Amino acid sequence: SAVISQKPSRDICQRGTSLTIQCQVDSQVTMMFWYRQQPGQSLTLIATANQGSEATYESGFVIDKFPISRPNLTFSTLTVSNMSPEDSSIYLCSATPLGPYEQYFGPGTRLTVT
Amino acid sequence: LAKTTQPISMDSYEGQEVNITCSHNNIATNDYITWYQQFPSQGPRFIIQGYKTKVTNEVASLFIPADRKSSTLSLPRVSLSDTAVYYCLLDALNRDDKIIFGKGTRLHILP
Repeated sequence: SAVISQKPSRDICQRGTSLTIQCQVDSQVTMMFWYRQQPGQSLTLIATANQGSEATYESGFVIDKFPISRPNLTFSTLTVSNMSPEDSSIYLCSATPLGPYEQYFGPGTRLTVT
Repeated sequence: LAKTTQPISMDSYEGQEVNITCSHNNIATNDYITWYQQFPSQGPRFIIQGYKTKVTNEVASLFIPADRKSSTLSLPRVSLSDTAVYYCLLDALNRDDKIIFGKGTRLHILP
């Protein structure tokens, strides 16, 4: 298994600013993912964070809006850029450890944009 | 387009066995069936994963028929703390396909 922490746990930001969310895993993992979840709704995959290369984005999400870094096998960041109230959501990081394929999720970052 | 279909909600009573069925008519050969549990204000938690027949762990059982077009998560003797949203997910080992979470099943356990 893997234990995943996220920082910050929540934040309130002003329109037009950017927020970087950090995701730290307690062990090396093969794949890391970033999701968005509106309260009471299901999860939507934003992108796969690839170690040493550019992230792979899903339809509807672009690098300019959600730049992602993954400098090593245990850490990734997601930046929400030029925020608008529509970006208010819960952002979740997940990881797949070496070997097993189930995903382990962080506790999420609750973002409110005013 | 969701790959899986589940009941939106279910109610049950403490001590009962709960079965949640997931339909996945277009499951691919390399897809595994994975179930997650999510409590409010937490990230999803892995429950169980299987490819075919039956898988059992300390938390649940997963029944998968031969055609793999559906699966059933079985929670034995539920308690109030099992109240959560349960997601069925098709996950391929090579992850070439997009990971799509369906709407999930909101399970409410009554005393």
